[in-house]
Amino acid sequence: AQKVTQAQTEISVVEKEDVTLDCVYETRDTTYYLFWYKQPPSGELVFLIRRNSFDEQNEISGRYSWNFQKSTSSFNFTITASQVVDSAVYFCALSEAPGGGNKLTFGTGTQLKVEL
Amino acid sequence: DSGVTQTPKHLITATGQRVTLRCSPRSGDLSVYWYQQSLDQGLQFLIQYYNGEERAKGNILERFSAQQFPDLHSELNLSSLELGDSALYFCASSEGLADTYEQYFGPGTRLTVT
Repeated sequence: AQKVTQAQTEISVVEKEDVTLDCVYETRDTTYYLFWYKQPPSGELVFLIRRNSFDEQNEISGRYSWNFQKSTSSFNFTITASQVVDSAVYFCALSEAPGGGNKLTFGTGTQLKVEL
Repeated sequence: DSGVTQTPKHLITATGQRVTLRCSPRSGDLSVYWYQQSLDQGLQFLIQYYNGEERAKGNILERFSAQQFPDLHSELNLSSLELGDSALYFCASSEGLADTYEQYFGPGTRLTVT
């Protein structure tokens, strides 16, 4: 069965600090997709990034960057120069395609608090 | 705004009752998904529909059922409600069937069972 582990339950940082959110996954599939979603206090789930299992290049989008390492089954997310607006719960997810369908297995989330 | 709409935003009902949650996917998306987010279970996949047909099923209770209509909107029906069904229910949609497509989530319906 697929599994996503986010060992960090809660992280608190001071604004402008860099912070890395860890994600470790388990799957028997050779082809899969990894995702990060953000859930701000308002409750909606906001899609941040999708990465397929064949693409191990790091990705940077503004202050956000992602490090995918297949050898360690990790897909970590770094926020550079954090801001108060980054305060949210961040979820890592792994896709599964049962019978050609699509389902996401989510980690338990990491609550990030950015303080002034 | 993801383009996925869900109604109602909040729902309070009593144990034993039945409720219907509604979802309209993003324009052009054929797949609709339902997820449940609760404190003890986290975010869990319930079911996927693609162009009106059920395509993937998760840990959805027998008391719960869903369908996708010809106009592609979807409804999740929850019956014989229990206190433990209190949760945030998300609908998501994607363009296609497979996991190559990212899922975009609606704002959720918060269900409180008293």
